[in-house]
Amino acid sequence: NAGVTQTPKFQVLKTGQSMTLQCAQDMNHNSMYWYRQDPGMGLRLIYYSASEGTTDKGEVPNGYNVSRLNKREFSLRLESAAPSQTSVYFCASSAQGSPLHFGNGTRLTVT
Amino acid sequence: GDSVTQMEGPVTLSEEAFLTINCTYTATGYPSLFWYVQYPGEGLQLLLKATKADDKGSNKGFEATYRKETTSFHLEKGSVQVSDSAVYFCALTNFGNEKLTFGTGTRLTIIP
Repeated sequence: NAGVTQTPKFQVLKTGQSMTLQCAQDMNHNSMYWYRQDPGMGLRLIYYSASEGTTDKGEVPNGYNVSRLNKREFSLRLESAAPSQTSVYFCASSAQGSPLHFGNGTRLTVT
Repeated sequence: GDSVTQMEGPVTLSEEAFLTINCTYTATGYPSLFWYVQYPGEGLQLLLKATKADDKGSNKGFEATYRKETTSFHLEKGSVQVSDSAVYFCALTNFGNEKLTFGTGTRLTIIP
């Protein structure tokens, strides 16, 4: 029973490098989300996808892009990483009217 | 916009102590309210929820009551255990969508 799976678990990047965070869910949920978690700020929504083929900006989308590849997968891309993007990133999914299910997170450090 | 204000942490208690973590919210309409818990190295898990005024959510000995008159959803537990050590987040959704607005989180440490 995998739920929401995120890869990688840890990543260190240099400023200006790019990378893609992967997320997959096996619960047949329509909605998927990317959040970032920073000390003293809780979780803030970066992007979300209400259904396959649609994506929308959240509270802090600048510097990120997303792709909803299919119903299962929702990836987050950093085209040119900056130190301000050092954070823990969480992917989540949900069905209509049900609570969010979270992955275990990706800890990203940008030097 | 919607917002959630949580009690500042960290909170340290002895085992079997009474726990209260305060949460208040600002929102238009009739939000649904949630408490999520994050254990070390893990993602967030739903602890309990309430969807309308005066509802009480409960789970694992934790309780919270949706108080519309005071716009609050305080988390309580009568006797905490070491295994309750975690970060607790208050959150809300509004207008029928699933996007959560989170508080800043409260780190709870229980000492034996």
